Amino acid sequence: GQQLNQSPQSMFIQEGEDVSMNCTSSSIFNTWLWYKQDPGEGPVLLIALYKAGELTSNGRLTAQFGITRKDSFLNISASIPSDVGIYFCAGQFQETSGSRLTFGEGTQLTVNP
Amino acid sequence: DGGITQSPKYLFRKEGQNVTLSCEQNLNHDAMYWYRQDPGQGLRLIYYSQIVNDFQKGDIAEGYSVSREKKESFPLTVTSAQKNPTAFYLCASSMAFNQPQHFGDGTRLSIL
Repeated sequence: GQQLNQSPQSMFIQEGEDVSMNCTSSSIFNTWLWYKQDPGEGPVLLIALYKAGELTSNGRLTAQFGITRKDSFLNISASIPSDVGIYFCAGQFQETSGSRLTFGEGTQLTVNP
Repeated sequence: DGGITQSPKYLFRKEGQNVTLSCEQNLNHDAMYWYRQDPGQGLRLIYYSQIVNDFQKGDIAEGYSVSREKKESFPLTVTSAQKNPTAFYLCASSMAFNQPQHFGDGTRLSIL
């Protein structure tokens, strides 16, 4: 089946620093999603990307859909303590039987004040 | 407010017992999903339903069962056949099957 490699697995940064994480796939996707999960809660959708090369921002977050359709990255600028959490990428490819969402294993972000 | 409600937040199961996790949504979404999350891992799909009265197995369906009798409800039963049920269970829904999924706050299941 489809596999997503998300990196890095964890990051420890100082408040105010910029952060970058990425996902690569063994196959093509036509949708990339980025989620954030706080401890003990469900993931919250941050950004959705639908077109190769698309660059989308949501406040301090910027995500891009790779031109090869096999990768995506998420940047967080000027990090703050509430950015702490697990960030998941997810890719989706429309098949004849319906699309399935495949998740990366997450990037654990720690922000030191 | 519109959203996805999972209950209970915490659930304990005795050996050999079936337990049912509730998931309700008032978003008028057609598709609903159940995922299992283990520590340090991503989300694995258990079952999904594209429309009411229809559901399909995901990647790890063994030991689980579901029903979709109403559009707003998609309960998950963890049966005694699931030998390692301790995990965080997440329910999600989307407007249609190829639309972004939105998640509930999860149910943490533990074995007594």
